[in-house]
Amino acid sequence: QMTQSPSTLSASVGDRVTITCRASHSLRDWLAWYQQKPGKAPKLLIYDASRLQSGVPSRFSGSGSGTEFSLTISSLQPEDFATYYCQQYDRFPMPYTFGQGTKLEIK
Amino acid sequence: EVQLVESGGGLVQPGGSLRLSCAASGFAFSNSWMAWVRQAPGKGLEWVANIKQDGSQFYYMDAVKGRFIISRDNANNSLYLQMSSLRGEDSAVYFCATWELRLFTSWGQGTLVTVSS
Repeated sequence: QMTQSPSTLSASVGDRVTITCRASHSLRDWLAWYQQKPGKAPKLLIYDASRLQSGVPSRFSGSGSGTEFSLTISSLQPEDFATYYCQQYDRFPMPYTFGQGTKLEIK
Repeated sequence: EVQLVESGGGLVQPGGSLRLSCAASGFAFSNSWMAWVRQAPGKGLEWVANIKQDGSQFYYMDAVKGRFIISRDNANNSLYLQMSSLRGEDSAVYFCATWELRLFTSWGQGTLVTVSS
């Protein structure tokens, strides 16, 4: 079980924002973050809790371990308004559970 | 560049069947685990199934076990999802994705499945 908060976040360009993801059991560092824009496929942003996927801007960062994780965007850009999902992958072969999502809206 | 193009979605009656396809290009498909992930309208992401490079291992979410079959054709760089006994709750956009180190690294644009009478 993955629980994200908040469900919706209103912010302005230039703001620093943080999204939280809590797991029902310890994931160690097996936590990823995805970004999804309306009508588009999700995109992997961060894996192993804090590692940036190739090509992802450095304003994105991840932190945490165990059961509490966060995604921070240091200075919001217009293209960052989207929905963000966390995903646990501590177990093989399954399941691979996503959080319910956090919609980042323009204030 | 990785390209994944899904097809085969559409409107189907409850209890019906549908076969989704995913055409892959731009990477070594036969060396890649692959997966299907779905998203119900206005809802979050839900992993459905994944399959090993040679098709010898595959795994399903509990809600689709016994009804969905994931398969692949490495000669044609294609991934499939055979869906049967479809229910309303299976209505979703179905994404094909590469699955690397337990991460969904590249995604297609999805194909919409609507189960309704």
